[in-house]
Amino acid sequence: KQEVTQIPAALSVPEGENLVLNCSFTDSAIYNLQWFRQDPGKGLTSLLLIQSSQREQTSGRLNASLDKSSGRSTLYIAASQPGDSATYLCAGEYDRGSTLGRLYFGRGTQLTVWP
Amino acid sequence: DGGITQSPKYLFRKEGQNVTLSCEQNLNHDAMYWYRQDPGQGLRLIYYSQIVNDFQKGDIAEGYSVSREKKESFPLTVTSAQKNPTAFYLCASRIQGQVIFGSGTRLTVV
Repeated sequence: KQEVTQIPAALSVPEGENLVLNCSFTDSAIYNLQWFRQDPGKGLTSLLLIQSSQREQTSGRLNASLDKSSGRSTLYIAASQPGDSATYLCAGEYDRGSTLGRLYFGRGTQLTVWP
Repeated sequence: DGGITQSPKYLFRKEGQNVTLSCEQNLNHDAMYWYRQDPGQGLRLIYYSQIVNDFQKGDIAEGYSVSREKKESFPLTVTSAQKNPTAFYLCASRIQGQVIFGSGTRLTVV
């Protein structure tokens, strides 16, 4: 069974700080990895997708990296803002025939950025 | 605009009733998924479908059923056999590794 661990479970920081959110998989043979954001009571919004041939993706103040040898991913948020407050989830996908497309989720990191 | 539409946003079910959650996408995606989210837990996969007229059980399929008669639609029925159905249900579709989620349906048993 795939286990996905996200650390920390919660994080509260003042505006302007640079943040690191961590995600690790018991099975390191990840094919694709996505980071999502979820606001309270809402669906998930895709932030970054690291595909099989990639190791890193950047979008604005967000940067995600994946170390396939260890099964660890990091989401870096630069110059955090109150609008970044949300729960961040990582999800991995494995290329094993019919299971391609199944995502295995962590429980998320609940981020609060205060002014 | 392309996207995934889930309806209704809120749904209340009486004990012993079956209810159906709707999921429609106009993204022309082949693969669609149903996840369940409970407080303090990660998302858990209920059912998924890679192509029309085919679907597979996920990790928590008991008490649920699905159909995939059209590419655009993947409805989920929560049956009376599901003993603890109160949760937030999320539908998703996928193409080339990119997964897009709907806005969810919150189901409550009353």
